[in-house]
Amino acid sequence: GAGVSQSPRYKVAKRGQDVALRCDPISGHVSLFWYQQALGQGPEFLTYFQNEAQLDKSGLPSDRFFAERPEGSVSTLKIQRTQQEDSAVYLCASSLKQGKETQYFGPGTRLLVL
Amino acid sequence: AQSVTQPDIHITVSEGASLELRCNYSYGATPYLFWYVQSPGQGLQLLLKYFSGDTLVQGIKGFEAEFKRSQSSFNLRKPSVHWSDAAEYFCAVGENNNDMRFGAGTRLTVKP
Repeated sequence: GAGVSQSPRYKVAKRGQDVALRCDPISGHVSLFWYQQALGQGPEFLTYFQNEAQLDKSGLPSDRFFAERPEGSVSTLKIQRTQQEDSAVYLCASSLKQGKETQYFGPGTRLLVL
Repeated sequence: AQSVTQPDIHITVSEGASLELRCNYSYGATPYLFWYVQSPGQGLQLLLKYFSGDTLVQGIKGFEAEFKRSQSSFNLRKPSVHWSDAAEYFCAVGENNNDMRFGAGTRLTVKP
């Protein structure tokens, strides 16, 4: 595709609901990243995939957060039992391969938990 | 652990004036350094990056940045700011580009 796409762009959830956020990386990009950006802050790393393998999930804030990329392309970030502190913009990025490569970001999904 | 500090939360400059946004990093080895720009409702767009070599890096939209190892800095500059440059600017540092750390951002306002 032309760029990284994310859906939905906006999501309102009631506290306790489960949500799923989708990321379509640039076609052919091996690496995929998820970041969380709280209001007024810079993005914070959540997790990283190389193809279908999740190589680093050290940034996931709790076991309520789960990410997958089963076929090495589209990725889904799932948040179970959402809490108000989960409200943030969730950014997805992809890069052509591992290592010294530019990360290309999607527009993000803005999640609001009421 | 690597970290990035952007000391200025908000900067206002007049259109046509020069701009410098500060970025300091803390990292043991030679880092990979990036500047991204984020407009409201938009994703992050890469302005420029430093991996190695020439310490003065040219980017898109007339921006440049200089890596100064002795000062642990990677400041972003532009000689003449345009109204369309108003946005949030983020400095980031990475090791193998697998785990980028971002600063808190500097919001740029451009006065007519």
